[in-house]
Amino acid sequence: GAGVSQSPSNKVTEKGKDVELRCDPISGHTALYWYRQSLGQGLEFLIYFQGNSAPDKSGLPSDRFSAERTGGSVSTLTIQRTQQEDSAVYLCASSFSGATGGQYFGPGTRLTVL
Amino acid sequence: QQQVKQSPQSLIVQKGGISIINCAYENTAFDYFPWYQQFPGKGPALLIAIRPDVSEKKEGRFTISFNKSAKQFSLHIMDSQPGDSATYFCAASRNSGYSTLTFGKGTMLLVSP
Repeated sequence: GAGVSQSPSNKVTEKGKDVELRCDPISGHTALYWYRQSLGQGLEFLIYFQGNSAPDKSGLPSDRFSAERTGGSVSTLTIQRTQQEDSAVYLCASSFSGATGGQYFGPGTRLTVL
Repeated sequence: QQQVKQSPQSLIVQKGGISIINCAYENTAFDYFPWYQQFPGKGPALLIAIRPDVSEKKEGRFTISFNKSAKQFSLHIMDSQPGDSATYFCAASRNSGYSTLTFGKGTMLLVSP
């Protein structure tokens, strides 16, 4: 079956521009997560959506970062006024409602801020 | 504060050998411990996971050993193959995995032919 998809796969932008990254979770998965992977920081949590509950935004590094999830499915991560330190791979994961919430990752979006 | 410590950073194993990667955690509220495999340019793929109510879980050539009292868990890859060469991440989570994952820093495994 189809896995988690993300678009674009690569994004190059100039410092100060806004970017939007998209995630399509596995159909039927109720939870959706955004993580960031960078050389110096490893994999770090950004934001978590679970059903209709208020999202857990505790991992967002600054107020330039925001995310929404429409209709309990597709999610968009927005970074405003991008900075060079935002350069990283942004990974989306989703999980289903089972005995354990195994998280399945998409291929990621590689963001480069010039 | 690094809540999940992973070692070694890199590992070279001969084909057919056993690869062992270790992780230690601090937060006793963690109750779900997955391992992920990541190839260059790809997202992490869930390999195997364990709950603290068991001490070992085996799936094919991959085994997780779990020591609750020591707050440690490890991944063993039996009969390692060149195709296993990848970066491996341990992680930990609360609420049976229905929570954010805290990752180790990763281990780059190279299996030599």
